[in-house]
Amino acid sequence: EAGVVQSPRYKIIEKKQPVAFWCNPISGHNTLYWYRQNLGQGPELLIRYENEEAVDDSQLPKDRFSAERLKGVDSTLKIQPAELGDSAVYLCASSLEGLNTGELFFGEGSRLTVL
Amino acid sequence: GQSLEQPSEVTAVEGAIVQINCTYQTSGFYGLSWYQQHDGGAPTFLSYNALDGLEETGRFSSFLSRSDSYGYLLLQELQMKDSASYFCALDTGRRALTFGSGTRLQVQP
Repeated sequence: EAGVVQSPRYKIIEKKQPVAFWCNPISGHNTLYWYRQNLGQGPELLIRYENEEAVDDSQLPKDRFSAERLKGVDSTLKIQPAELGDSAVYLCASSLEGLNTGELFFGEGSRLTVL
Repeated sequence: GQSLEQPSEVTAVEGAIVQINCTYQTSGFYGLSWYQQHDGGAPTFLSYNALDGLEETGRFSSFLSRSDSYGYLLLQELQMKDSASYFCALDTGRRALTFGSGTRLQVQP
């Protein structure tokens, strides 16, 4: 069974440019998460979807970040415009029926460098 | 809010046993998870404690004490491939996890 797939793996952009990340969760997983991980830190939740509905986006910087999950499967996270402080790894995760056993399945992440 | 504290680094030798501690502050939670992450890789699930006590999964065990706001991950028979970062994470019922800042484990030969 395929795991969580993310692309691109690496992205280097200049500040003020836009960038988008794509995530394909594990088939059948209705809950999808976007986390941001700064160097030497743990992942921090940005947004959580239950099917196509964003049920927790309280930590998403809405002035420049946006996300969507069309048809309740794939998801895209966008940053426009990017700032230097956005350099981080953006992790997508999925789980079945929310969180009952503490287990999320993570992708390998998209590493963003903003110059 | 919630906060979790872990040691930033731990060093141990191959074949030894190492314990990684996690203390937390929260008004309520459902369980404590542990994840392993190799450099450049995805965090992968190791263990989950919903109840107080010890959970054993092969060479890895995890412990939770709600009364002490404390948990730990125990790694036995350390191998070089266990060199990685280890994160504790609280399941606070928001159907998402709040992660600690991680402990970098270095296994030496």
